Amino acid sequence: SYELTQPPSVSVSPGQTARITCSGDALPKQYAYWYQQKPGQAPVLVIYKDSERPSGIPERFSGSSSGTTVTLTISGVQAEDEADYYCQSADSSGIPVVFGGGTKLTVL
Amino acid sequence: QITLKESGPTLVKPTQTLTLTCTFSGFSLSTSGVGVGWIRQPPGKALEWLALIYWNDDKRYSPSLKSRLTITKDTSKNQVVLTMTNMDPVDTATYYCAHRRSRPDTTENWFDPWGQGTLVTVSS
Repeated sequence: SYELTQPPSVSVSPGQTARITCSGDALPKQYAYWYQQKPGQAPVLVIYKDSERPSGIPERFSGSSSGTTVTLTISGVQAEDEADYYCQSADSSGIPVVFGGGTKLTVL
Repeated sequence: QITLKESGPTLVKPTQTLTLTCTFSGFSLSTSGVGVGWIRQPPGKALEWLALIYWNDDKRYSPSLKSRLTITKDTSKNQVVLTMTNMDPVDTATYYCAHRRSRPDTTENWFDPWGQGTLVTVSS
């Protein structure tokens, strides 16, 4: 089955830049999407189509794609950004939705 | 404003069938391009996609759970129902429904917004 691979955890100090990666063989041909999930809350979309930011999402959130890896970048990390982040995409054989294993972002 | 809310039992016994209802507002499942998905999350674990239904009644299921899942829609009631048969303790999770978004005439799928989720515990 198709998998999206994320690092389990990323730690940064406030004001620094956090980069969370997501790797998958189909990513060169499929868009990626990113969700933020804070404890006890439902996920919230923060990036769609690799790099588009929904309205209401702070500009410090950005996304990029290179080959089989997509990256969520949070510039000038704030304490409120501490959360779990999940990437989502599709595979090339018809499975429309696949989630990565999630990355816990810790703001030191 | 789009909102979704999940409802159903909080406790089911092993081997029973789970039926969850997603009641939504702010969009219609009769509108071209619209869809609703179900995603679950076991306690402390990652998100897992379960099923997706589109405005044209096309349905997609997670391959690993396809034999146990059925997704249906009632456009007049603005509801989507997910049934999962033969429940097991490993199916204990928070179950979310979410509004599917995409660019027109594409097969892309992303979810925004999500419902608040409902915790289902499987135990005898």
